[in-house]
Amino acid sequence: DSGVTQTPKHLITATGQRVTLRCSPRSGDLSVYWYQQSLDQGLQFLIQYYNGEERAKGNILERFSAQQFPDLHSELNLSSLELGDSALYFCASSRDSTISGNTIYFGEGSWLTVV
Amino acid sequence: TQLLEQSPQFLSIQEGENLTVYCNSSSVFSSLQWYRQEPGEGPVLLVTVVTGGEVKKLKRLTFQFGDARKDSSLHITAAQPGDTGLYLCAGPPSGGSNYKLTFGKGTLLTVNP
Repeated sequence: DSGVTQTPKHLITATGQRVTLRCSPRSGDLSVYWYQQSLDQGLQFLIQYYNGEERAKGNILERFSAQQFPDLHSELNLSSLELGDSALYFCASSRDSTISGNTIYFGEGSWLTVV
Repeated sequence: TQLLEQSPQFLSIQEGENLTVYCNSSSVFSSLQWYRQEPGEGPVLLVTVVTGGEVKKLKRLTFQFGDARKDSSLHITAAQPGDTGLYLCAGPPSGGSNYKLTFGKGTLLTVNP
């Protein structure tokens, strides 16, 4: 158990719909990251928040948005869903935002299927 | 975009055998990390290598960072079924130190009893 909690674990939704994925980081961790894992693209960095503020952006589509709340939990919102958005979405957290001296911990992921 | 190429893509071996998997790039990385991911779980960090030529050991796992910091290898001695999983290498953006990581697509290792 990494200490990072993601909900829901699985969800199936139709094209055009909107879903929200939720993440609670490890106790004391200020950084939250979102990654997308698919068979063809592998694990792709989407976005990072540190203490409530956006810190880094990756290959995140405009249809996707995220935020980190004052209690440090984070949500990833996916809208106008397409079949190609079907993937495993991981949340991860770390105490700081740098690699040096820090470890990043991944949750178990939210498996999204768009039909 | 910095790319990390991992090989082989799939590897199936018998318990007790030794193996090496590779992570290569045309770009220099300030550090490289290795993760193992098991089915239904997220990746778990195994090691971070920072210095060119660095060798780190974790029980039966030996990690090496290339002298030019463009490649890395993972060697497993006397593999066990518990070593089964997806092995991923990852690195931060060029000159960066944060977790905006680029991941390779991984080596899926199966160790048969």
